[in-house]
Amino acid sequence: AQSVSQHNHHVILSEAASLELGCNYSYGGTVNLFWYVQYPGQHLQLLLKYFSGDPLVKGIKGFEAEFIKSKFSFNLRKPSVQWSDTAEYFCACYNQGGKLIFGQGTELSVKP
Amino acid sequence: SAVISQKPSRDICQRGTSLTIQCQVDSQVTMMFWYRQQPGQSLTLIATANQGSEATYESGFVIDKFPISRPNLTFSTLTVSNMSPEDSSIYLCSGGRANTEAFFGQGTRLTVV
Repeated sequence: AQSVSQHNHHVILSEAASLELGCNYSYGGTVNLFWYVQYPGQHLQLLLKYFSGDPLVKGIKGFEAEFIKSKFSFNLRKPSVQWSDTAEYFCACYNQGGKLIFGQGTELSVKP
Repeated sequence: SAVISQKPSRDICQRGTSLTIQCQVDSQVTMMFWYRQQPGQSLTLIATANQGSEATYESGFVIDKFPISRPNLTFSTLTVSNMSPEDSSIYLCSGGRANTEAFFGQGTRLTVV
């Protein structure tokens, strides 16, 4: 069955540190990939998405992600995190059946 | 983009009772889904809500426990039946079109006592 794996369950960083959150998917066909963010007490919001084209995708708030097909990966990056980036981050993938499958989530805590 | 409205936003229910959650989207979406997010965990897909026909359930979820309706493109309901404390969770409605981003409601926080 298709799955999405996030390697880091909880990441703690100081402000201005660089961030990279890992995401791997198992589906071998054409995939649409997403990163969502859930700030404390708020609903899920889309950070960025990849459908096709340039594998380096830029999203909101300075986030970017790189699709590497050979590694089945879609890692999220930010060069310098802020305290306001403290949130839960979810990687997700659509398959051809149109189901959006989520990874386990990564809790990011940024220390001021 | 689509705005997804869910109600109620939260409820506390007695075990053995049922709760129906409503989801309304503000534009026509082709796909609607229901998810559960248990405390500290990721989103688990419960089912795909199909317009005018029975929902498609994921493994571990059954229609008797989670009946779903979708009478038109922009409205769906999820009922959590015969609730137990293990059903305490956040239930999320999601809508979107094929090969586009999915939009999420703010969720319904359910506590079963």
